[in-house]
Amino acid sequence: EIVLTQSPGTLSLSPGERATLSCRASQSVSSSHLAWYQQKPGQAPRLLVYGATSRATGIPDRFSGSGSGTDFTLTISRLEPEDFAVYYCQQYDSSLIFTFGPGTKVDIK
Amino acid sequence: EVQLVQSGAEVKKPGESLRISCKPSGYGFTTTWIAWVRQMPGKGLEWMGMIYPGDSDTRYSPSFQGQVIISADKSITTAYLQWSSLQASDTAIYYCAKTTQYCSTSSCRLDYWGQGSLVTVSS
Repeated sequence: EIVLTQSPGTLSLSPGERATLSCRASQSVSSSHLAWYQQKPGQAPRLLVYGATSRATGIPDRFSGSGSGTDFTLTISRLEPEDFAVYYCQQYDSSLIFTFGPGTKVDIK
Repeated sequence: EVQLVQSGAEVKKPGESLRISCKPSGYGFTTTWIAWVRQMPGKGLEWMGMIYPGDSDTRYSPSFQGQVIISADKSITTAYLQWSSLQASDTAIYYCAKTTQYCSTSSCRLDYWGQGSLVTVSS
């Protein structure tokens, strides 16, 4: 089973700053199998990025994904007040077994 | 409009059984997988497993294999997550989510989510 590690656990930033979130896999992941989700308190998760780099429908272009192999990154270019949330990476393997990372909380500094 | 509507909150005692439901609408029920995701209080997301209602193909996380049963009823376009004997550690919010189509050949992701079902297990 592929294990995902996310860092940092918490990122304290101010609105307008750039956020860089890391997701590392225990073994190589196909880029097409890597996604990112955002979850706000009391809400269901929302798909942000899929295929490592493609934004989901309606996601602002300040969100971007990059990476390959075992290292993936979600970047938020300029934090808006509504972006303070928890972010999860997720991958699936060739057997369609999914796993989530533990999450990175982006909070207001 | 795609929606996944889940059953309401449940309060159960240890040892009791439970089945919660997820009723999607706005797309072809048999054309995508339906996944279940657990979120324990204050914790992260855990993928439990998923079912393809078209042929009932089911996949489970090793962590949840044998602990729960995922099923679907095509006639009423509803997916289920069930337990035969609940434990206090099953207390969590459970989300259902649908995948995109063609998961075996293209980028598969969970694009629509239900509102979550809170399950509380307490004596």
